[in-house]
Amino acid sequence: DTAVSQTPKYLVTQMGNDKSIKCEQNLGHDTMYWYKQDSKKFLKIMFSYNNKELIINETVPNRFSPKSPDKAHLNLHINSLELGDSAVYFCASSQSSGNTQYFGPGTRLTVL
Amino acid sequence: EDQVTQSPEALRLQEGESSSLNCSYTVSGLRGLFWYRQDPGKGPEFLFTLYSAGEEKEKERLKATLTKKESFLHITAPKPEDSATYLCAVQANSGYALNFGKGTSLLVTP
Repeated sequence: DTAVSQTPKYLVTQMGNDKSIKCEQNLGHDTMYWYKQDSKKFLKIMFSYNNKELIINETVPNRFSPKSPDKAHLNLHINSLELGDSAVYFCASSQSSGNTQYFGPGTRLTVL
Repeated sequence: EDQVTQSPEALRLQEGESSSLNCSYTVSGLRGLFWYRQDPGKGPEFLFTLYSAGEEKEKERLKATLTKKESFLHITAPKPEDSATYLCAVQANSGYALNFGKGTSLLVTP
């Protein structure tokens, strides 16, 4: 009965590669988010989709591209990976704004 | 710009030794203040939402309070299983994003 799930949990790759992280929620929420947690454990918003529309697009390199095929899924594609992209990426979901955001287990990305 | 500052960065308590974690914030119109718990290698787990000054919420050994400038997470008679990083976040009226503090890492020893 996982609420917010992410795949893969770990991702190790070489610089310059392209990779994707997938997120799915079964809570019936209409809003999904991507957050990045850096090595100092600081969580920062990257993107948010509401009903498949992009509503938050923080200052993130355009090598990062989110895609929401439907309300229950939000994927993150990263092109030309760099060392500085190494972090833990968390997906979250909520029912509209102002409501509790529920987080997935995270994807630890390591770029070598 | 919204800002969230948590203190202390790290806290070590003996089992049963009550204490408080602080979250100071500035935000242009507070929609909500959120407390999460994060265990190593896991995603943040929701604890509380507070919406207005004077509001308090409790869950087991935890109690969260809110003023116009700060929130406290009081931990009464903590147990080793309360060891985790506690994250505070604010959401402004203008948006959806949560702006997080850097967290307080709590260690409770037997």
